[in-house]
Amino acid sequence: DSGVTQTPKHLITATGQRVTLRCSPRSGDLSVYWYQQSLDQGLQFLIQYYNGEERAKGNILERFSAQQFPDLHSELNLSSLELGDSALYFCASSPRTYNTEAFFGQGTRLTVV
Amino acid sequence: AQTVTQSQPEMSVQEAETVTLSCTYDTSESDYYLFWYKQPPSRQMILVIRQEAYKQQNATENRFSVNFQKAAKSFSLKISDSQLGDAAMYFCAYRRANYGGSQGNLIFGKGTKLSVKP
Repeated sequence: DSGVTQTPKHLITATGQRVTLRCSPRSGDLSVYWYQQSLDQGLQFLIQYYNGEERAKGNILERFSAQQFPDLHSELNLSSLELGDSALYFCASSPRTYNTEAFFGQGTRLTVV
Repeated sequence: AQTVTQSQPEMSVQEAETVTLSCTYDTSESDYYLFWYKQPPSRQMILVIRQEAYKQQNATENRFSVNFQKAAKSFSLKISDSQLGDAAMYFCAYRRANYGGSQGNLIFGKGTKLSVKP
């Protein structure tokens, strides 16, 4: 158990809908990263938050947004869903300490039908 | 932009034998970190081993070791005495160092699927 909790584990929704994925980082970790894992694109970085502020953006679509709350949990919002958004979405967290790696949650499997 | 390439989509090894997974990367930076992650069927991403670019000594974690060739930008993973539980997808990943005081994001290769035959 990495200490990173993602909910829900599975999500099935229809095209055009909006969903929210939730991530609780390890206790004390300030950084939260969101990654998307799909068959064709592999593992891709979406966005990073650090202590409540957006720190870096990767290949995140405009239909997607995220935020990190004062208690450091994070939410990834996906809207106007398309079939191609079906993927495994990972959250990872890391502490402020300089040379440490990120710890991954178990992911949320999103299926858009 | 940094890229990570894993040229072996699939590999197979006999139980108790040794297997090496290849990874190359491209970067213009001199300070960075390299990682191998394991993803079993449970989907959990598990850190196997890490290497700091400034360290010449290759990292080792029990049966897992790396061959880090900085000049060649190569970072291979050797698994000794392979076990059935080693069967998984293995991802090589790169991360910049000194990323604005917080941790930088990982850049992943496409992965290598390792099968272990009993």
